[in-house]
Amino acid sequence: ETGVTQTPRHLVMGMTNKKSLKCEQHLGHNAMYWYKQSAKKPLELMFVYNFKEQTENNSVPSRFSPECPNSSHLFLHLHTLQPEDSALYLCASSQVWRTSEPTGELFFGEGSRLTVL
Amino acid sequence: ILNVEQSPQSLHVQEGDSTNFTCSFPSSNFYALHWYRWETAKSPEALFVMTLNGDEKKKGRISATLNTKEGYSYLYIKGSQPEDSATYLCAFIPRKNNNAGNMLTFGGGTRLMVKP
Repeated sequence: ETGVTQTPRHLVMGMTNKKSLKCEQHLGHNAMYWYKQSAKKPLELMFVYNFKEQTENNSVPSRFSPECPNSSHLFLHLHTLQPEDSALYLCASSQVWRTSEPTGELFFGEGSRLTVL
Repeated sequence: ILNVEQSPQSLHVQEGDSTNFTCSFPSSNFYALHWYRWETAKSPEALFVMTLNGDEKKKGRISATLNTKEGYSYLYIKGSQPEDSATYLCAFIPRKNNNAGNMLTFGGGTRLMVKP
C-alpha cells in the first residue's frame, strides 16, 4: 500500500463538467497539500491544510474547491474549468508541529493528469 | 513572490561522471530547504531536509551543502549512473510568524540525463 494515493490517475473533462480529484494518505500525517504542475513551470502550491484546517489558498480561482473531511483525505472539486487548467495535480502530505520547527519531508502521490477540452 | 532558481535547467553527463547543480533562494527569513528527486512517471521523493547554515548531508553517492547567508545550496552526485536520471527539485521554506513551517516554494528543477 503506497503512502499517498491519488485517484483518478487520468481525467478528461469538458469545460462544463464537474469532477473531483481524491487523495488519501496512510502515513498518519497532519498536513496535506495540492500542487499543480503545468508544462515548463515549477510546481505551484495551491492549497495547504494543517490539522484539517485550510491555512493557505495561493490565489487559486474559485473553480477549484478543496475539501479536507479528515486528516487522511483531501479532495479537489473541479467546476467549469478552462483548457489552461490542464496539468498534473499532485497531492502531498507531511508532519507539522505546532512549535517553531519546519515541516519534515513531503510525501507525494503519483498525480492526477487532467485534460480540459 | 519568492524567487527560487535552479541551474542548470538540464544536464547530460556520461556514466561515471560526477556532477553538481545549484539552488538559489532568498537569504532572508530562511527556515528550511528540501531537495527532491523526481523520476519520470513516478512521484517526487525527498532526498534531504536541511535547516542549518553549513549543513552537509549525504545519501549514498548524493550529497548536499547549504549556505543560508548567501542563499544557495549545492547538490552533488558522485559517479553518476543511468538510474540517477531524473529531475532534481529544491524547495525553500521561509520563516513566517505563526505558521507551521510548511509553505514550500519549488524551483524549476534540474533535469539530469546520464548516458550509459
